[in-house]
Amino acid sequence: ETGVTQSPTHLIKTRGQQVTLRCSSQSGHNTVSWYQQALGQGPQFIFQYYREEENGRGNFPPRFSGLQFPNYSSELNVNALELDDSALYLCASSPRTSSYNEQFFGPGTRLTVL
Amino acid sequence: GDSVTQMEGPVTLSEEAFLTINCTYTATGYPSLFWYVQYPGEGLQLLLKATKADDKGSNKGFEATYRKETTSFHLEKGSVQVSDSAVYFCALSGVTGGGNKLTFGTGTQLKVEL
Repeated sequence: ETGVTQSPTHLIKTRGQQVTLRCSSQSGHNTVSWYQQALGQGPQFIFQYYREEENGRGNFPPRFSGLQFPNYSSELNVNALELDDSALYLCASSPRTSSYNEQFFGPGTRLTVL
Repeated sequence: GDSVTQMEGPVTLSEEAFLTINCTYTATGYPSLFWYVQYPGEGLQLLLKATKADDKGSNKGFEATYRKETTSFHLEKGSVQVSDSAVYFCALSGVTGGGNKLTFGTGTQLKVEL
């Protein structure tokens, strides 16, 4: 069983640029969530996708957007990058959108904004 | 809104010492509770979970009991090893608002020395 994978592993961008991060969910999982983890902090929920529709959003501005594809993989797009966007971005999948189900995390993408 | 409070770290212990990491939460309804562990440079791994009051989650010698009356989910291990050195995150998954968004604490770094 393949776990959650993310690409790229590391990324360096400059302020004002746009970035796309990718995530492949674990086999059999139809729900994907994205989290931002700043250095020394706990992950913060960005949004969740279930069957290609956004299914909940955290306190992040509209320049953070996402997609989920028919194979349940997902993208996180961030426009007009700011220095504070530097963080580890974590993708997590779960077998369904129930609060009882744990989420399985990928290794993350480390984004540095200069 | 939902929130999780963890004891601050770092916690430094000698090998074979007893471990307690305190976690309390605020949530509407009856959330599921989780402990995740993050090793250096890696994503989050689920350590254990509990989905209702008085449930005890356990894994790899770690235990935590869902205490509704004290809104707590403290992590314990009877005898820690050097390999347990990592950052531990307490999290809850709410039943309101759709989906299974995770709300995390700020994390507690554990260092185990010989």
